[in-house]
Amino acid sequence: GAVVSQHPSRVICKSGTSVKIECRSLDFQATTMFWYRQFPKKSLMLMATSNEGSKATYEQGVEKDKFLINHASLTLSTLTVTSAHPEDSSFYICSARDSTEAKNIQYFGAGTRLSVL
Amino acid sequence: RKEVEQDPGPFNVPEGATVAFNCTYSNSASQSFFWYRQDCRKEPKLLMSVYSSGNEDGRFTAQLNRASQYISLLIRDSKLSDSATYLCVVSPLKAAGNKLTFGGGTRVLVKP
Repeated sequence: GAVVSQHPSRVICKSGTSVKIECRSLDFQATTMFWYRQFPKKSLMLMATSNEGSKATYEQGVEKDKFLINHASLTLSTLTVTSAHPEDSSFYICSARDSTEAKNIQYFGAGTRLSVL
Repeated sequence: RKEVEQDPGPFNVPEGATVAFNCTYSNSASQSFFWYRQDCRKEPKLLMSVYSSGNEDGRFTAQLNRASQYISLLIRDSKLSDSATYLCVVSPLKAAGNKLTFGGGTRVLVKP
């Protein structure tokens, strides 16, 4: 299957700092990427849809000024958690859809485990 | 009502046995269906797509019942390595932006 690289895999930061997470599609172009958050023993919750060259679409209840998304190229989307607080601690996962595939199959990055102290 | 519902389990399965579980979805306009597998503290990985006619991939068989709005996954000859959480994933019409909706997952524990 297609490969999606997510970096970093683990972040520990102090409250109030900003954290940037990168998501790259390595062997395909992705006009759309998705950012999810997963709390322990819970399912993935979609936070936002990242659209190449345009603004991200945020799900209800997700603060766009808190979670900044940039999708500047067909292979890279970034999520920045601004002024992180302990309640932002979670597992953040990105996915990308291969634009050339007919079915809506999404490939996931390995995730970023964020711990805010 | 949740858009995609699954029995959280766990399903405790003897090695070599067969296990099956379902997932129900509420949006009758859903177009695409998938089973993903997620290991503890790892990302989800695509197990198989689910087609209207049902499909099989080795020991795994997936079925779709549009009338009753559920999909199923059956695992034959369970291996210890099949222990994981299985996520039912549903995708609406493409016009909805290709978003995927995840079920809460069904945990399967295969034991010797």
